[in-house]
Amino acid sequence: GAGVSQSPSNKVTEKGKDVELRCDPISGHTALYWYRQSLGQGLEFLIYFQGNSAPDKSGLPSDRFSAERTGGSVSTLTIQRTQQEDSAVYLCASSLTGRQPQHFGDGTRLSIL
Amino acid sequence: AQKVTQAQTEISVVEKEDVTLDCVYETRDTTYYLFWYKQPPSGELVFLIRRNSFDEQNEISGRYSWNFQKSTSSFNFTITASQVVDSAVYFCALSDSGSGGYNKLIFGAGTRLAVHP
Repeated sequence: GAGVSQSPSNKVTEKGKDVELRCDPISGHTALYWYRQSLGQGLEFLIYFQGNSAPDKSGLPSDRFSAERTGGSVSTLTIQRTQQEDSAVYLCASSLTGRQPQHFGDGTRLSIL
Repeated sequence: AQKVTQAQTEISVVEKEDVTLDCVYETRDTTYYLFWYKQPPSGELVFLIRRNSFDEQNEISGRYSWNFQKSTSSFNFTITASQVVDSAVYFCALSDSGSGGYNKLIFGAGTRLAVHP
């Protein structure tokens, strides 16, 4: 079946602009995760959604980052007033439940000029 | 605190050699999960294996095998008779209750494996 789908694949934007990244999880997966992969920090957890529960936002690096998940399916990660240090690959993953293996999308490569 | 250490930054081998990727973890929990993921040049993280802390039995899947030793807090990954297609970055990861319900993967820094013909 279809895997986790992320769009866009690549995004180049100017410093100070807002960006939205989209994730479409595997059908039927109740848990959705966002991670960030950067050269300096490796792979970092950002946020986790499970069903209708309040999301775990403990990994968001600043209040410029936010995410939502509508209808328990598609999620968008929004970065406001982008900074150069936000340049990274943003990875989305989903799992059947919170304790099951996470399956990752191809990521969105974000470059801030 | 949770931590995953992959001390080998890069490994280079010739095809058909066996190679072991090391992973050492830290956690205060008695219940936790350990994972290995593969990231080929295409970029997608591919799930390879999950083990829970109560199952120390080693696992073999084709040319891949995993050695889980709680006594040394290690979860090492061996590729037998390596192939060029095994070239990738391999990540070891941990999740435990300190993550807030096993929801967060704590990744190691990754080991870049290059298999040469």
